[in-house]
Amino acid sequence: EAGVAQSPRYKIIEKRQSVAFWCNPISGHATLYWYQQILGQGPKLLIQFQNNGVVDDSQLPKDRFSAERLKGVDSTLKIQPAKLEDSAVYLCASSLDQWRDRDNSPLHFGNGTRLTVT
Amino acid sequence: KNQVEQSPQSLIILEGKNCTLQCNYTVSPFSNLRWYKQDTGRGPVSLTIMTFSENTKSNGRYTATLDADTKQSSLHITASQLSDSASYICVVTPRGIYNQGGKLIFGQGTELSVKP
Repeated sequence: EAGVAQSPRYKIIEKRQSVAFWCNPISGHATLYWYQQILGQGPKLLIQFQNNGVVDDSQLPKDRFSAERLKGVDSTLKIQPAKLEDSAVYLCASSLDQWRDRDNSPLHFGNGTRLTVT
Repeated sequence: KNQVEQSPQSLIILEGKNCTLQCNYTVSPFSNLRWYKQDTGRGPVSLTIMTFSENTKSNGRYTATLDADTKQSSLHITASQLSDSASYICVVTPRGIYNQGGKLIFGQGTELSVKP
């Protein structure tokens, strides 16, 4: 099966500029996640979608970050305006259905977008 | 507070040697515990998933163990290869009141370097 696709792979922008990342999950996966991974740390959840609804966005800096998952398939994550501390790898992941009873299916991650804010 | 702590933070071993990575967690109750391997510049890839009722799971040269009483898990790598150089991340899924999966809790990862 095709994996989780993300683009672009790399992005360099200046602070206060805007940027958008795109994710195409594995076909049939209901749950989609966006994670932020700062160098040397584990991924931090930004937002979780169940189909096209938001399940958890408690750690999303909503004053500058936004995300959508139209039609419950592809998703975009936007940062506007970017700050220096947003430099990180942004990982998209999908799973069959995290909300199902005792779902033990693995998360499938994309290779991420490495964002550098200068 | 639900937490996942991994040790050591980094580890260097010689090719062909065995090693064991540790994961301690305070998440309770939990649905499952996962180990992921993350190569540099790539996304994490699942190695093993264990439910709360399992105490060992193998995937080739990788063997994960789980002690739910002490809330500890370990990942043992046998006969290490240069390609094992990566970050290994322990992830715990809390179990919700309706038995649904909760927000995954990630450890910081252990950076393993295998030298020739």
